[in-house]
Amino acid sequence: AAGVIQSPRHLIKEKRETATLKCYPIPRHDTVYWYQQGPGQDPQFLISFYEKMQSDKGSIPDRFSAQQFSDYHSELNMSSLELGDSALYFCASSYGGLGDTQYFGPGTRLTVL
Amino acid sequence: QKEVEQNSGPLSVPEGAIASLNCTYSDRGSQSFFWYRQYSGKSPELIMFIYSNGDKEDGRFTAQLNKASQYVSLLIRDSQPSDSATYLCAVNTPLTEGGSEKLVFGKGTKLTVNP
Repeated sequence: AAGVIQSPRHLIKEKRETATLKCYPIPRHDTVYWYQQGPGQDPQFLISFYEKMQSDKGSIPDRFSAQQFSDYHSELNMSSLELGDSALYFCASSYGGLGDTQYFGPGTRLTVL
Repeated sequence: QKEVEQNSGPLSVPEGAIASLNCTYSDRGSQSFFWYRQYSGKSPELIMFIYSNGDKEDGRFTAQLNKASQYVSLLIRDSQPSDSATYLCAVNTPLTEGGSEKLVFGKGTKLTVNP
């Protein structure tokens, strides 16, 4: 079965650079969630989109923004990168938007030097 | 206080034993409960979900939910070394005005199954 696709899988950036992470949800899933997981930490919710509209916002820094496109894929844009942004970034998708089971992508490992 | 609490472990059990993982949550309005397994450096993988009080069995896994006690657990029977991973309990937060239901994770319990 098709799963959530994330790209790139690994990304290395310098401080103050920008990064764009992409997420392609499972076909027919209309809701996308972004999570950040630091070393040894649990995933922290950043932001979610339902039917291309932002549906909720968590602990996402103002330097980050995201959107969901007409084909339901989503992009997380990160600017003025800091060392502390180094983490695994997971995208998850679900169908229905409200509390349905979330399936996670493989993640993007971002390293900021 | 974190909304979802788990014993961080590590929890160590011998191969073939029953591993018991526990989770409590603070929001009585929570309706959906999930157990994810996460290997180091990998993404969370859904193991079980449960919505109703009682037990739900799937193969070697049994999820138990007690909403009155705000408690959810995962039992792994006949534990195998390949079950060694961090197990994350996740609880949906109730719908609030203008928001959506999102998962709140516990910090995870690291399980080691010894051959």
